[in-house]
Amino acid sequence: AQTVTQSQPEMSVQEAETVTLSCTYDTSESDYYLFWYKQPPSRQMILVIRQEAYKQQNATENRFSVNFQKAAKSFSLKISDSQLGDAAMYFCATFIYGGSQGNLIFGKGTKLSVKP
Amino acid sequence: DTGVSQNPRHKITKRGQNVTFRCDPISEHNRLYWYRQTLGQGPEFLTYFQNEAQLEKSRLLSDRFSAERPKGSFSTLEIQRTEQGDSAMYLCASSLALKETEAFFGQGTRLTVV
Repeated sequence: AQTVTQSQPEMSVQEAETVTLSCTYDTSESDYYLFWYKQPPSRQMILVIRQEAYKQQNATENRFSVNFQKAAKSFSLKISDSQLGDAAMYFCATFIYGGSQGNLIFGKGTKLSVKP
Repeated sequence: DTGVSQNPRHKITKRGQNVTFRCDPISEHNRLYWYRQTLGQGPEFLTYFQNEAQLEKSRLLSDRFSAERPKGSFSTLEIQRTEQGDSAMYLCASSLALKETEAFFGQGTRLTVV
C-alpha cells in the first residue's frame, strides 16, 4: 500500500524568508507523480507543484521548488521569499499509474504560518 | 467556468438523518472524484466517476453512502442514517480522463452531525 508521511504538523517562517516542508512516501511502483497541494483556510485545495517520478530534474514553479530524492523516497517543498498569502495547510500527495485511478494518496498535512 | 462548485458549503444535521451534497465539476471534465477529509487528516478517496459510470469505490464508502452522476455532469453524494463519525469535509474534484493528474478541487461541504 502507498503511504505518504509529513513529519512536520506545523511550521513557521518569517515573511521573505525560506522554508522547507518535508515529505516521504512509500511505493513499490515505478510510474507515479508527486504533488504539493495548498489548502488555505475555508478555500479550495490548489495544486502548487507537480513532479513526475521518471524526471530527475526537480520541478520549479516561481517561488516554489522541490527536492526530489527518488532513492530515498523523499519529496520536500521549498518556498522562497515567503509571503503572507503562503499561510495555509500544505499536503503532499502521490498518484500511482496503474493503481487506483482516482486515488490521490495524501499525507496529513503541514500547517504553515507566515510571520510579518 | 468558475471551477468546481459544491453545495451546500456547510450542513448541520441530526444523527440518523439523511443528507445529500452536490458537486458541479468544470464543464468539460469527464472525471469526477469524491474525497473525505476529517480534522487533522489529509483527504481520503471515496469514489470516482468517468462520465456517468462509477468506476471505483473505496472501502471507506460504506453502504450508507451512495454517489451518482446520472448525466455525466453534476454528481450527488448521499449519506443515509448519518452518524457522528460522518462529520467531515467532503471534497469534490474533477479532471479530464487523459489528464487525471491535473485535478481541480471544489471548496468542499463541511458536514457536522450532532
